[in-house]
Amino acid sequence: EAGVVQSPRYKIIEKKQPVAFWCNPISGHNTLYWYRQNLGQGPELLIRYENEEAVDDSQLPKDRFSAERLKGVDSTLKIQPAELGDSAVYLCASSPLADYNEQFFGPGTRLTVL
Amino acid sequence: AQSVSQHNHHVILSEAASLELGCNYSYGGTVNLFWYVQYPGQHLQLLLKYFSGDPLVKGIKGFEAEFIKSKFSFNLRKPSVQWSDTAEYFCAVPPLGPGAGSYQLTFGKGTKLSVIP
Repeated sequence: EAGVVQSPRYKIIEKKQPVAFWCNPISGHNTLYWYRQNLGQGPELLIRYENEEAVDDSQLPKDRFSAERLKGVDSTLKIQPAELGDSAVYLCASSPLADYNEQFFGPGTRLTVL
Repeated sequence: AQSVSQHNHHVILSEAASLELGCNYSYGGTVNLFWYVQYPGQHLQLLLKYFSGDPLVKGIKGFEAEFIKSKFSFNLRKPSVQWSDTAEYFCAVPPLGPGAGSYQLTFGKGTKLSVIP
């Protein structure tokens, strides 16, 4: 069974540029999460989807971040414009249901903003 | 809101030494608890989890954790570490108790474990 797929794995951009990350969850997983992991910290949730509906986006900085999950499968996370402080690893995770069971993580996208 | 504290930022052990990584949480009610591991160059994966029942939980690769409600702790242990256990370990809990309507996980800052051959 394929795991959670993310692309790109690495991205280097200059500040004020836009950037997008893509995630393909495990087949059949209804719940999708985007996390941000700063250096030396644990992951912090940005947004959670149940199918195509964003049910928890309270931690998403909505002035510059946006996300979508069309058709309830793949998801994209966008930053526009990027700031220096956005440098981090962006993790996507999925789970079969929105419960406290296991979340399956992708490899992440390491973003560097110069 | 729930918070998670991991006391050790970096632990260095020799092979065959015993390991205990601390994790404390703040919510005092019924709680679900998780340990995740991230090996170098790999993605986060579940090591073990506690939902209810026996407070001593066994996970993969010989790891175990004990839930001590009175101490708000869920420490991770392994009697004899191997070089391949070198990784970063994260304790995680839901931000509020079960049934509170929130299904995200709050992660600790992580403990980096380096095992010297």
